[in-house]
Amino acid sequence: QLQLQESGPGLVKPSETLSLTCTVSGGSISSSSYYWGWIRQPPGKGLEWIGTIYFSGSTYYNPSLKSRVTISVETSKNQFSLKLSSVTAADTAVYYCARQEYDFWSGSHDAFDIWGQGTMVTVSS
Amino acid sequence: QAVLTQPSSLSASPGASASLTCTLRSGINVGTYRIYWYQQKPGSPPQYLLRYKSDSDKQQGSGVPSRFSGSKDASANAGILLISGLQSEDEADYYCMIWHYNAVVFGGGTKLTVL
Repeated sequence: QLQLQESGPGLVKPSETLSLTCTVSGGSISSSSYYWGWIRQPPGKGLEWIGTIYFSGSTYYNPSLKSRVTISVETSKNQFSLKLSSVTAADTAVYYCARQEYDFWSGSHDAFDIWGQGTMVTVSS
Repeated sequence: QAVLTQPSSLSASPGASASLTCTLRSGINVGTYRIYWYQQKPGSPPQYLLRYKSDSDKQQGSGVPSRFSGSKDASANAGILLISGLQSEDEADYYCMIWHYNAVVFGGGTKLTVL
């Protein structure tokens, strides 16, 4: 059964770069049927999509975060990663990685069907 | 105005049905979108419930009971999550989502209370 696990520092200083990794187990990140995404949730608030990546490196980003976000994939390690630069307290959130279904032939992006448990990241000095 | 608008809260009684709405911003036609629904309980990640575009284009999430179903109200430009036979375990936050111009958009979420 496919599982996703987020890892990275739980505390980041303001103005620094937040870095997280999602490790995929029980399946291959190189499948043509899936994109891989990052979603965050500030304490007590709703979900915010950050971006998604394909095993080829193709990416889509939230326009409101695009200038600060880089998502990359390392197929040899079955991992994908998130970097968010110049963080502020507003970036404090639970960060989730998730698998997004993708229809290669139609180019249709579909549901996030499997999620990691999430990791809490606090931005504070 | 947000792309997707959900009521912040809804209450319903056990055994009753609850209809959760997800209204698309004016100018964005609900008929052309797949609407995705997620359930989130405290301390847990969201769980995918279902997708609905039309009766011929819908998908139930793995293991999701059939008492969760999707529909649309074209006149209100809204997607609907219908939960029938409400149970106490259905008390949770519910989020809708669409894929819109090469981006994922989530609604603000509805907190469903079963009492």
